[in-house]
Amino acid sequence: DAKTTQPTSMDCAEGRAANLPCNHSTISGNEYVYWYRQIHSQGPQYIIHGLKNNETNEMASLIITEDRKSSTLILPHATLRDTAVYYCIGGYQKVTFGIGTKLQVIP
Amino acid sequence: GAVVSQHPSWVICKSGTSVKIECRSLDFQATTMFWYRQFPKQSLMLMATSNEGSKATYEQGVEKDKFLINHASLTLSTLTVTSAHPEDSSFYICSATGPPGTKNIQYFGAGTRLSVL
Repeated sequence: DAKTTQPTSMDCAEGRAANLPCNHSTISGNEYVYWYRQIHSQGPQYIIHGLKNNETNEMASLIITEDRKSSTLILPHATLRDTAVYYCIGGYQKVTFGIGTKLQVIP
Repeated sequence: GAVVSQHPSWVICKSGTSVKIECRSLDFQATTMFWYRQFPKQSLMLMATSNEGSKATYEQGVEKDKFLINHASLTLSTLTVTSAHPEDSSFYICSATGPPGTKNIQYFGAGTRLSVL
């Protein structure tokens, strides 16, 4: 699995876009980038994943740089319910969780 | 779709007793299931990986005789904490992969909070 680096914490105003960066410079060519989030005292929730191309679903957008060394998760209109710890994972089979980014959405 | 159910959500037990936690994939066959442990204010730590019908693969430092994992079917895995002690108190979470075309996305249960008195 690739080692990932994320900021420890971020704040975002409610209604604004939340942009969460992740560095995964050691990712290999066939390893996907996955994003999960964990709301306090719950199991993690899958958000989105990608390999090379940018991806969008009903929850978020994922922008992956051309060299695949970093990516950004975008929550287009953050709400208070998006307050959570966000994990960026680089890997194919086994998922190794780092510390993640604690996103606080502020009213 | 892709729902993973974990039971119980909360369990309190006396020191020395054993506790079983169930993890079920409700609407898909889980090729692989994972068990994690999470201490307060820490990240998830992978304990073991299990595939249906075969022995689980434990991470370094996880005692296989203490944390018994059984993956008897494609929809059920169980974790038994044997002779639990207060230091085993933690948040245990399972996940499963398997729905066709989902590229090894892990779908997580809601977690089980274990308190050992």
